[in-house]
Amino acid sequence: AQSVSQHNHHVILSEAASLELGCNYSYGGTVNLFWYVQYPGQHLQLLLKYFSGDPLVKGIKGFEAEFIKSKFSFNLRKPSVQWSDTAEYFCAVNNYGQNFVFGPGTRLSVLP
Amino acid sequence: DGGITQSPKYLFRKEGQNVTLSCEQNLNHDAMYWYRQDPGQGLRLIYYSQIVNDFQKGDIAEGYSVSREKKESFPLTVTSAQKNPTAFYLCASSRSETGSSSPLHFGNGTRLTVT
Repeated sequence: AQSVSQHNHHVILSEAASLELGCNYSYGGTVNLFWYVQYPGQHLQLLLKYFSGDPLVKGIKGFEAEFIKSKFSFNLRKPSVQWSDTAEYFCAVNNYGQNFVFGPGTRLSVLP
Repeated sequence: DGGITQSPKYLFRKEGQNVTLSCEQNLNHDAMYWYRQDPGQGLRLIYYSQIVNDFQKGDIAEGYSVSREKKESFPLTVTSAQKNPTAFYLCASSRSETGSSSPLHFGNGTRLTVT
C-alpha cells in the first residue's frame, strides 16, 4: 500500500528564515502529488500540486515544491517565511485507481 | 460562494449513542469523502462515494456508516461500535474519480467528543 512520510513533526523558525519540509512516498509508478495547508481554525487548503511536466511547481503564497522521481520526494520550500505561515502542512499522494494518502503532517511555528 | 459545509462544528455525545455528522457541498462535485484527523496521524479515509447511491469503505470504515442519496450530501454516522470515536472529522469533495489530478476541497470539520 502507498505510504507517505514527512520528515519533521514540528518545525520552529524565525521570520525571514528559509523553509524546507520533506515529503517522501512509497509508490514507484505514476503519481499525483499535493501539498495542503491547515491554518489555525481553518479548513485544509491546496497549496500546490504536481501531476506532470516541470518538476518544480509553484503554488500560492510564495511556496514551491520540487518533484524528484528518483528519490520519491516532493519537498516543499519557501525562501522567506512569515509569521502568517504558521500552520500545519500535509503532503498527499494519489495514483490511478487509488485514493489520496496523506502524510502525518508537519506543524510549522514561525516566531515574529 | 461554492464550498463544503459541515455541521455542527462541535458535537458532544455520550458513549453508546449513534451520532450523524452533516456534509453538504454546492460545488457540483461527483466524489465525496470522509476523513478522520488525529494528532500525528494525518488524515485517514473512512468512506468515499464517487456517485449517488454508491459508496466504498476506506481504510478505517469499521464503526461508521454513510449514505449518498443526493449528489450534494454525504452524511456520516458514527455508531456505538466505533471504539475510539473522539476525533476531528473532515468532509471533502473532488471533481472526478480516484487517482485523478483533481484536488480535494475540504470543509471546516466537525470535532466530535464522546464521553
